[in-house]
Amino acid sequence: DSGVTQTPKHLITATGQRVTLRCSPRSGDLSVYWYQQSLDQGLQFLIQYYNGEERAKGNILERFSAQQFPDLHSELNLSSLELGDSALYFCASSPLGGGLDEQFFGPGTRLTVL
Amino acid sequence: AQSVAQPEDQVNVAEGNPLTVKCTYSVSGNPYLFWYVQYPNRGLQFLLKYITGDNLVKGSYGFEAEFNKSKTSFHLKKPSALVSDSALYFCAVRDSNTGKLIFGQGTTLQVKP
Repeated sequence: DSGVTQTPKHLITATGQRVTLRCSPRSGDLSVYWYQQSLDQGLQFLIQYYNGEERAKGNILERFSAQQFPDLHSELNLSSLELGDSALYFCASSPLGGGLDEQFFGPGTRLTVL
Repeated sequence: AQSVAQPEDQVNVAEGNPLTVKCTYSVSGNPYLFWYVQYPNRGLQFLLKYITGDNLVKGSYGFEAEFNKSKTSFHLKKPSALVSDSALYFCAVRDSNTGKLIFGQGTTLQVKP
């Protein structure tokens, strides 16, 4: 158990809908990262927050947004969902936001868009 | 741009034999390299990392990795494979400014009894 929690575990929804994925980092970790894992794209970095502020952006679509709250939990919002958004979404956390500390991954949320 | 490549989609070994999962990297500046493992229906688990220092890095579950700067490689190794090592293995390079991980495409390790 990494100490990172994600809810829900599974999500099934329809095209055009909006969903929110939630992540609670390990106690004390200030940085949260979101990744998407799909069969065709592999594991891709989406976005990083550090202590409430956006730190880095990757291949995140404009239909997706995220935020990190004062209690350091984070939410990833996916809107106008398309079939291709079906994937496993991981959250990871690390103590700081730099390059030397390892990231600890949550169990993921499996999103299925029908 | 930083990148990693895992040239093998799948590696098959017999239990008790040594295993190697290959990774090559391309970075500007110092490489920060990681190996993660993913078991079915689970998140990624950290195995080991190379930041600086010894070229042989020891990690969790008996795994180690050899950093080779001249060959730009960071191969994952284990002297004696277990059936329970069967999983998906990812090599990754870390952006030193932002901390984001750039993953290889993953290698499925199959250890047969």
